Amino acid sequence: GAVVSQHPSWVICKSGTSVKIECRSLDFQATTMFWYRQFPKQSLMLMATSNEGSKATYEQGVEKDKFLINHASLTLSTLTVTSAHPEDSSFYICSASPRPLREGTQYFGPGTRLTVL
Amino acid sequence: DAKTTQPTSMDCAEGRAANLPCNHSTISGNEYVYWYRQIHSQGPQYIIHGLKNNETNEMASLIITEDRKSSTLILPHATLRDTAVYYCIVRPPNSGYALNFGKGTSLLVTP
Repeated sequence: GAVVSQHPSWVICKSGTSVKIECRSLDFQATTMFWYRQFPKQSLMLMATSNEGSKATYEQGVEKDKFLINHASLTLSTLTVTSAHPEDSSFYICSASPRPLREGTQYFGPGTRLTVL
Repeated sequence: DAKTTQPTSMDCAEGRAANLPCNHSTISGNEYVYWYRQIHSQGPQYIIHGLKNNETNEMASLIITEDRKSSTLILPHATLRDTAVYYCIVRPPNSGYALNFGKGTSLLVTP
């Protein structure tokens, strides 16, 4: 159990275009979903926290107008990278916390590799 | 969240036990110890967590010292597929808290 999926698994786009990444909890409802970003040879960095039905909370230095997060239901959150540029190329990973709570355990999606040309 | 300290890298022979240490001397009374691992180019995988008692599941065992200032993750019979970066994370169990990933330990399992 506790499976999180992401779509697409990889995407290549031109500079200036927007890209939407979906994160779904397949067999549980998620009270909270998180979005992380990972650059090569670095650790995961939290970008934002989203709760179903409310606005996302962004970490310092993450532009909320550039990285749009929509947590429309207890099983789906989306991250849209608007007007993508080459420096946005990264590995984007989502995670979800099950409801009811399991002592704070989070489950991660397989990640989405974004390459902006 | 309490800070954790892990060795940068470790090697382990296939079939042997891998013991990964973690220091968390500033851990608070309500903070749990979580272990995750990340295989190259994949999302992190939950392994195990505990508060103060030793824990065991199908993947690993977690040994927490009595003073809770350190812990050890044990992979009893390491395989090549266990090669990954292992992260020890300490935080309260509230699901509203994100996981603060440090640098972790890069474990290499060799044939």
